Amino acid sequence: DAMVIQNPRYQVTQFGKPVTLSCSQTLNHNVMYWYQQKSSQAPKLLFHYYDKDFNNEADTPDNFQSRRPNTSFCFLDIRSPGLGDAAMYLCATSRLAGGSDTQYFGPGTRLTVL
Amino acid sequence: QKEVEQDPGPLSVPEGAIVSLNCTYSNSAFQYFMWYRQYSRKGPELLMYTYSSGNKEDGRFTAQVDKSSKYISLFIRDSQPSDSATYLCAMSILSGNTPLVFGKGTRLSVIA
Repeated sequence: DAMVIQNPRYQVTQFGKPVTLSCSQTLNHNVMYWYQQKSSQAPKLLFHYYDKDFNNEADTPDNFQSRRPNTSFCFLDIRSPGLGDAAMYLCATSRLAGGSDTQYFGPGTRLTVL
Repeated sequence: QKEVEQDPGPLSVPEGAIVSLNCTYSNSAFQYFMWYRQYSRKGPELLMYTYSSGNKEDGRFTAQVDKSSKYISLFIRDSQPSDSATYLCAMSILSGNTPLVFGKGTRLSVIA
């Protein structure tokens, strides 16, 4: 089945220790998104790639970076995680850019910061 | 005022009940309206997708959009315990490289 895969599902890191979350997709979609979702909150878009073009949301902290080495993979790097960065991180893909196209989500990576 | 408002619940109903979930929004430019279902510890999955105003039905699920009132609803008929999840509304404008705007989600429990 075509899908969006996120690894790891659970990640524990220490305050200030860099961490990388991984997303891969077999849908061959052009667009890949990273969202942060805290408990009982709406998913918050951090950034997205349309193909190789990177689009950062204005309020995404500099602590969050992303890489997309090819169509299938996208990474979220958190350079110096703080306690406030503990959350579920969701990767999503869509064929077209813009919110009108259906987004397909991965299962998420739950990040704990100690 | 937030762009999208959604009552977080939790909402608890008996099996077989009709469930009504709602969102209000402030941006009249929104044209695409979606409902996502998110099970515990899983990513959201698209449940219903509606363009502009009107109703859309899919099995036990009906989505309604009232653009004049800036109000959208999701109805679940004959609710089942497997419907227990968080339901997120989401919406976007017609064009451009603009993101999807989500509500906070309503947590629903259907009790057998």
